[in-house]
Amino acid sequence: GDSVTQMEGPVTLSEEAFLTINCTYTATGYPSLFWYVQYPGEGLQLLLKATKADDKGSNKGFEATYRKETTSFHLEKGSVQVSDSAVYFCALSGSNDYKLSFGAGTTVTVRA
Amino acid sequence: DTAVSQTPKYLVTQMGNDKSIKCEQNLGHDTMYWYKQDSKKFLKIMFSYNNKELIINETVPNRFSPKSPDKAHLNLHINSLELGDSAVYFCASSQELGTASFTEAFFGQGTRLTVV
Repeated sequence: GDSVTQMEGPVTLSEEAFLTINCTYTATGYPSLFWYVQYPGEGLQLLLKATKADDKGSNKGFEATYRKETTSFHLEKGSVQVSDSAVYFCALSGSNDYKLSFGAGTTVTVRA
Repeated sequence: DTAVSQTPKYLVTQMGNDKSIKCEQNLGHDTMYWYKQDSKKFLKIMFSYNNKELIINETVPNRFSPKSPDKAHLNLHINSLELGDSAVYFCASSQELGTASFTEAFFGQGTRLTVV
């Protein structure tokens, strides 16, 4: 079945550092890909998405590009802030698939 | 206006009790879900309903019974609670997952269930 693998955390960074969280997927057909973020004590919020190959999703300084050739959707941000401390989830939705399949989540802590 | 709301936010109960968690969405979505998040933050789908019809039941014990009285509500009832049921339960909704009209899933704030 469809699945998502993302890099394990936790990840600890200093403010203004570069952040990359790797995500690869296994799916039949052409899934849609998502990054969700969960701030402490809150539910999940959509951060960005891409629905077809070579699409780039971006939001709040975060970017991820749908790479079909490497089945990847890595999340990047050039300069993180303390407020970016959260758990980040990569997810996919396959065609004819009534669910989102999530990766294990990566906890990111940004220190001032 | 809260898009997906679930109650209660916290629930502490003893083993063997029966409890319910309620979920409502005001987004006009057709599909609703229950996810379980364990202590390691791993999210696992439990149920998916589309237009009040059960679509996904991911090998969840029979003690868990979802109920969708209408498209805007999906409640979760749990019988004979066990210690291992302690987790955060998230309700979510979306428009037609698996079709071209799907854009994103919206999540509630979660219900932290602690079984003692």
